[in-house]
Amino acid sequence: GENVEQHPSTLSVQEGDSAVIKCTYSDSASNYFPWYKQELGKRPQLIIDIRSNVGEKKDQRIAVTLNKTAKHFSLHITETQPEDSAVYFCAASNKRSNTGKLIFGQGTTLQVKP
Amino acid sequence: EADIYQTPRYLVIGTGKKITLECSQTMGHDKMYWYQQDPGMELHLIHYSYGVNSTEKGDLSSESTVSRIRTEHFPLTLESARPSHTSQYLCASGGIGGYTFGSGTRLTVV
Repeated sequence: GENVEQHPSTLSVQEGDSAVIKCTYSDSASNYFPWYKQELGKRPQLIIDIRSNVGEKKDQRIAVTLNKTAKHFSLHITETQPEDSAVYFCAASNKRSNTGKLIFGQGTTLQVKP
Repeated sequence: EADIYQTPRYLVIGTGKKITLECSQTMGHDKMYWYQQDPGMELHLIHYSYGVNSTEKGDLSSESTVSRIRTEHFPLTLESARPSHTSQYLCASGGIGGYTFGSGTRLTVV
């Protein structure tokens, strides 16, 4: 069935360093890949997304890359700050599907040490 | 402002009680979802709906039930709460811009 694998499960970096989180998906029909950030005690919030017709997308310090052939996509955060500390979830879906279901990865807990 | 609202925010209830978790959205979305999540852990899909009068079970088996009589409303009901139901329940609605999550209901069954 559909599956999204996310690595690593935890990531600790020094403030100012870069952080990379990687996901692989199983359903070759997937064409929409969002990333969510969930701060402690808060709801997951969409931070960036990418569609299958694009290889890379940037928004200030965050970027997402997609390799459709290998079926993996990654989140890159540069110049990390303590407020980037949170749990990050990748997800994949087939936007042409009737349900629009997102399949989530297992989550990555990012800790940015000052 | 268009958003998705969940009530109550916190609920402590005794074993065997019937409870309904409310979820309403003003986003105009047809698709709505319920997830179960232990703090900081995986999001498990337990129910979804892609329109009025449509409901489906998700990937994680759940003893809860849902209904979708109105587009904006997607309540979740537990007929008889048990300690194993203790968790956070997140409602979401989906559109072209991805999902929007509600703030969640943190349920504790004692």
